Amino acid sequence: DAKTTQPPSMDCAEGRAANLPCNHSTISGNEYVYWYRQIHSQGPQYIIHGLKNNETNEMASLIITEDRKSSTLILPHATLRDTAVYYCIVRVLNRSSNYKLTFGKGTLLTVNP
Amino acid sequence: DGGITQSPKYLFRKEGQNVTLSCEQNLNHDAMYWYRQDPGQGLRLIYYSQIVNDFQKGDIAEGYSVSREKKESFPLTVTSAQKNPTAFYLCASSMRGQGVNTEAFFGQGTRLTVV
Repeated sequence: DAKTTQPPSMDCAEGRAANLPCNHSTISGNEYVYWYRQIHSQGPQYIIHGLKNNETNEMASLIITEDRKSSTLILPHATLRDTAVYYCIVRVLNRSSNYKLTFGKGTLLTVNP
Repeated sequence: DGGITQSPKYLFRKEGQNVTLSCEQNLNHDAMYWYRQDPGQGLRLIYYSQIVNDFQKGDIAEGYSVSREKKESFPLTVTSAQKNPTAFYLCASSMRGQGVNTEAFFGQGTRLTVV
């Protein structure tokens, strides 16, 4: 799986949009971008994933650049409960592939009142 | 309710003893994973299994062993050979294939302390 690079920490004001960047310059054509978050001392929680089109769900939006070398997770109206470590992962998805799922250190997002 | 369950939540062991952490899922997922997390660090992959009776080493497999005799279960044994076993251990599972519903689901973790 391609490696990802994320800033170690970011701050955001409550009620504002949080934009979390991720670089994955070595991503290959069949690799998906996944985002998870981990609130302190809990198991990580899935947020969203995509291949090349932008995606939106009830939690967040995922913007993937046209060359797919980077992406941005957007939390449109951050709340204090969104304070967590956010992980960006890229992985291949097909039945014959190696299903190794590798996490980096992620970005600690702190939402301030 | 469908989900992935790790037990116990907290575990204390004496140095030199083997200990087995339980992970059970009723999501009908093929793939299962074990991770270790140390304070202030990301998740590091210990072992993973893509199907029953098959598993592969992750990045830090030394001192650990696993089995996958049933689809629902993927226990992790922390052996006495593991030099620094005190950590937060997370189990996850996922479907195989493409498209939707392929995200990994995580348990709530087991915090192991070796004294």
